[in-house]
Amino acid sequence: EVQLVESGGGLVKPGGSLRLSCAASGFTFSSYSINWVRQAPGKGLEWVSSISSYSAYIYYADSVKGRFTISRDNAKDSLYLQMNSLRAEDTALYYCVRLVGVDQKYYFDHWGQGTLVTVSS
Amino acid sequence: QSVLTQPPSASGTPGQRVTISCSGSSSNIGSNVVNWYQQLPGTAPKLLMYTTDQRPSGVPDRFSGSKSGTSASLAISGLQSEDEGDYYCVSWDDSLNGWVFGGGTKLAVL
Repeated sequence: EVQLVESGGGLVKPGGSLRLSCAASGFTFSSYSINWVRQAPGKGLEWVSSISSYSAYIYYADSVKGRFTISRDNAKDSLYLQMNSLRAEDTALYYCVRLVGVDQKYYFDHWGQGTLVTVSS
Repeated sequence: QSVLTQPPSASGTPGQRVTISCSGSSSNIGSNVVNWYQQLPGTAPKLLMYTTDQRPSGVPDRFSGSKSGTSASLAISGLQSEDEGDYYCVSWDDSLNGWVFGGGTKLAVL
């Protein structure tokens, strides 16, 4: 069974840093691109970042570019998101999401349960 | 302001057919597939429709997807109370080099 388990969320002051982790199991982690998608309280979904299977391709939403860094350790079946210079608007539930593709057509197929990040003084 | 535009709400009575629209542009829906997600209260999003019109196993055939030009639609026929929740469209945007979501549509079954 595919499982994605996020951790590392918490309360942090504006300007602070936090590192999220996502532990994967039930599939060959190194074969898949993985993404972070967030959801502010009571709001919609927002894509944050994407990393390909061997980290060759990395993308960020403009809202986090230059502040967040996505990385992965395939030996540990783990994904990370280093978040610096945090702002109140980064407050959200952060989901770890697997990306799959069929004939160059891609979609998110499995989501974790999320880890909550709250940025407040 | 979301890149993809969805109506904020939709509603219907049990058994009715409801359609949720998703409007984009040539750089996203116009040149890429659309995927749809259902989010029930207090849960993570669940894949509902992929590559525009494909249903994952376990999703009833009451759900269908389509695309025309720069717009896509999700249709739900035979509406049931358990369909109440939020629905999101998403597509890759070639100009932004990222995934773009619709703002979400809250579906109510009256």
